[in-house]
Amino acid sequence: KNQVEQSPQSLIILEGKNCTLQCNYTVSPFSNLRWYKQDTGRGPVSLTIMTFSENTKSNGRYTATLDADTKQSSLHITASQLSDSASYICVVPHLALSRSNDYKLSFGAGTTVTVRA
Amino acid sequence: GAVVSQHPSWVICKSGTSVKIECRSLDFQATTMFWYRQFPKQSLMLMATSNEGSKATYEQGVEKDKFLINHASLTLSTLTVTSAHPEDSSFYICSAGTYNNEQFFGPGTRLTVL
Repeated sequence: KNQVEQSPQSLIILEGKNCTLQCNYTVSPFSNLRWYKQDTGRGPVSLTIMTFSENTKSNGRYTATLDADTKQSSLHITASQLSDSASYICVVPHLALSRSNDYKLSFGAGTTVTVRA
Repeated sequence: GAVVSQHPSWVICKSGTSVKIECRSLDFQATTMFWYRQFPKQSLMLMATSNEGSKATYEQGVEKDKFLINHASLTLSTLTVTSAHPEDSSFYICSAGTYNNEQFFGPGTRLTVL
């Protein structure tokens, strides 16, 4: 079964501090893993897309890592800002077996990050 | 680039009425569009997948006669919630897919059925 699990469910950090979010997946075959940021009442916005050959990818203060062997990914937020308060969603595409060449996205439940001044 | 818009951003309607939500890819042509529903504190749930000019493929448990999807062009898809009821109140998000299977999400539409 294609699953994506994230931890922690939520966390609170002080402005300026760092934090790391975790994502474990069982999707197979694996092509890429995506991290999205979703502000309350808004659609998800892509932060990074990582293929199986990439170990680390950065987007500003966001750094994602990927271990395709252990099927784990992390998202590290450096020097957090109040605007980082959002839900962070780990997403892994998988083939829709009922429709060849079509794919669906497996979503993690998300980690809600709250940054406090 | 890769901007997806939705209209309206929020809508309040009476029970029994129908509501149409538009999803547009503004600066690219989307081979496939997806419709999701998201309840509070939950992740996105795929409702249906549509390709331009063909019938939408609905996920199990999603009523195709209740959630009508029209994908008339490579830049526009619409979702019509027919005879809406309070349990249909949710956050509806569309996404537009590109040839390399990347999806760009719209900002979402908040539907409240009274």
